[in-house]
Amino acid sequence: DAGVIQSPRHEVTEMGQEVTLRCKPISGHNSLFWYRQTMMRGLELLIYFNNNVPIDDSGMPEDRFSAKMPNASFSTLKIQPSEPRDSAVYFCASSSTKRTGYEQYFGPGTRLTVT
Amino acid sequence: AQSVTQPDIHITVSEGASLELRCNYSYGATPYLFWYVQSPGQGLQLLLKYFSGDTLVQGIKGFEAEFKRSQSSFNLRKPSVHWSDAAEYFCAVGPPGAGSYQLTFGKGTKLSVIP
Repeated sequence: DAGVIQSPRHEVTEMGQEVTLRCKPISGHNSLFWYRQTMMRGLELLIYFNNNVPIDDSGMPEDRFSAKMPNASFSTLKIQPSEPRDSAVYFCASSSTKRTGYEQYFGPGTRLTVT
Repeated sequence: AQSVTQPDIHITVSEGASLELRCNYSYGATPYLFWYVQSPGQGLQLLLKYFSGDTLVQGIKGFEAEFKRSQSSFNLRKPSVHWSDAAEYFCAVGPPGAGSYQLTFGKGTKLSVIP
């Protein structure tokens, strides 16, 4: 049974470039979460979707960040333009709200380095 | 607003010794409680969860946790640590019942194991 899939696993880009991170949630899950993890700030929730609809994007740092979920099996997180302070590990997680016990299942993460 | 405190940033134990990682939460009602583990370069993996009922819950990899309502705590324990347990451990809380699925994570406790 495939878990949450993220791509790429590593991304190195120059300041000012556009970065797109991709996530495929577990089949049948209807909630999807994007997190950012840094040494300084720990694990931060950026945005979460329920049934493909953004529910809470209050964690998105600024307008340079955007996220979409065009269907139940795919989501993207885009940073445009990227800045060195965006360097972090970005995790996608999914869960099911259709039953009690909505533990989140995490992908392996994308390590982003902006130079 | 809910919050999670993991008072120990870093703990070092000898292999074979017992382990207890502390977690305290602040919440208006009894939340759903989770412990996750993150191995280096990996995503977060669910160790165990508490929703209701028996306050001592068993998880994977020989871990257990005890919910103590009077102390607002959910400490993680293992009777005998293995070198492979070296990782970072995160406590998380979420609102009880269905309807909202956001988790609040603690800052994490890094566990080092001495052979």
